[in-house]
Amino acid sequence: DTGVSQNPRHKITKRGQNVTFRCDPISEHNRLYWYRQTLGQGPEFLTYFQNEAQLEKSRLLSDRFSAERPKGSFSTLEIQRTEQGDSAMYLCASSSDSDRAETQYFGPGTRLLVL
Amino acid sequence: GEDVEQSLFLSVREGDSSVINCTYTDSSSTYLYWYKQEPGAGLQLLTYIFSNMDMKQDQRLTVLLNKKDKHLSLRIADTQTGDSAIYFCAETPDSGNTPLVFGKGTRLSVIA
Repeated sequence: DTGVSQNPRHKITKRGQNVTFRCDPISEHNRLYWYRQTLGQGPEFLTYFQNEAQLEKSRLLSDRFSAERPKGSFSTLEIQRTEQGDSAMYLCASSSDSDRAETQYFGPGTRLLVL
Repeated sequence: GEDVEQSLFLSVREGDSSVINCTYTDSSSTYLYWYKQEPGAGLQLLTYIFSNMDMKQDQRLTVLLNKKDKHLSLRIADTQTGDSAIYFCAETPDSGNTPLVFGKGTRLSVIA
């Protein structure tokens, strides 16, 4: 049984560069969420998908951020023109709407450092 | 808006019970969750409770919910050094189709 996987686990980039992260959810899960966690804080919601449809985006998701889930399976999160304030852990979670509690299962995260 | 509050630190001796508290503001919360995060890792689901329940027990974990006071607690019996981590309380403001709202987490330190 494979859980949620995320790649890469770590990314160091220079300010102004673009980065892309990938999330592979649990295979039967139709919902996929992206969160961002900064030091000393709890995860904060960025966006989520039901199948391939992006249903909600947080005000935290600036125009430099874009997320896709083209076939309703894996998802990518791209950050363009990275800024030092983008340094954080980016967490992906998935859930199934057939689960009454709609429990979200998290991946190990991608830690981004923008120099 | 939704808000979840937790105390930031808790220190207990190995073998004692730990109680981590959480308050939330959204009275329409359907489910409330407890997650554990070890250093550098993602979040591990520990347990959850449905809002029409007031208690749930799962091995060493006991969750108590006081819906009137919007207070949630997680009790860990016989706390072990491996329980040292950050514990997050989270709510779903609505049933289905909504992201989780997390507290800032409580760092539990277990002293041997």
